[in-house]
Amino acid sequence: QKEVEQNSGPLSVPEGAIASLNCTYSDRVSQSFFWYRQYSGKSPELIMSIYSNGDKEDGRFTAQLNKASQYVSLLIRDSQPSDSATYLCAVNVKGAQKLVFGQGTRLTINP
Amino acid sequence: EAGVAQSPRYKIIEKRQSVAFWCNPISGHATLYWYQQILGQGPKLLIQFQNNGVVDDSQLPKDRFSAERLKGVDSTLKIQPAKLEDSAVYLCASTTQPGNTIYFGEGSWLTVV
Repeated sequence: QKEVEQNSGPLSVPEGAIASLNCTYSDRVSQSFFWYRQYSGKSPELIMSIYSNGDKEDGRFTAQLNKASQYVSLLIRDSQPSDSATYLCAVNVKGAQKLVFGQGTRLTINP
Repeated sequence: EAGVAQSPRYKIIEKRQSVAFWCNPISGHATLYWYQQILGQGPKLLIQFQNNGVVDDSQLPKDRFSAERLKGVDSTLKIQPAKLEDSAVYLCASTTQPGNTIYFGEGSWLTVV
């Protein structure tokens, strides 16, 4: 079992709709969770971090964490073409000593 | 505040040659990471330093890859000899301590031909 798993997509969403990205992880003691956005040919940039169960909102982005079910998700409201990118889920494992990334989900927003 | 600096940005070498990448983390960041990202995949951790000590190098191919962070600041990643499958982006990242947000440099793009 991979430490962090994402659906690689591609995920296609119409402009203005809600994009939903999901991630599961295997380490039950993980405490820190991150979503990074990566445009083609660029390095990853942080969108959201979440540490506690529940929802965390920042503008059009909402991160959701459920430690009991070991999943973390990212919702993008009012999707824009500029949101088209690969979204990487990252989880601290092994007592926060190691940050592991999923394979990324490629998101395309269609005008 | 200056970000993570990496060089060179691009490198093309022949297989069996050697290459070295340099990284200067954000000032004050004790934790430094080297990730390898192959096209279409997520970043894979190669090595993690805490100051000048190695925290994790379990996925570093030690027969050909080496990394050091002698003074706890700059770091160098070396590949010798390179193989075709080493073609990837090598990302350096840093943070104040494990568990906190990490910040990436722009990456060093390696093509092995």
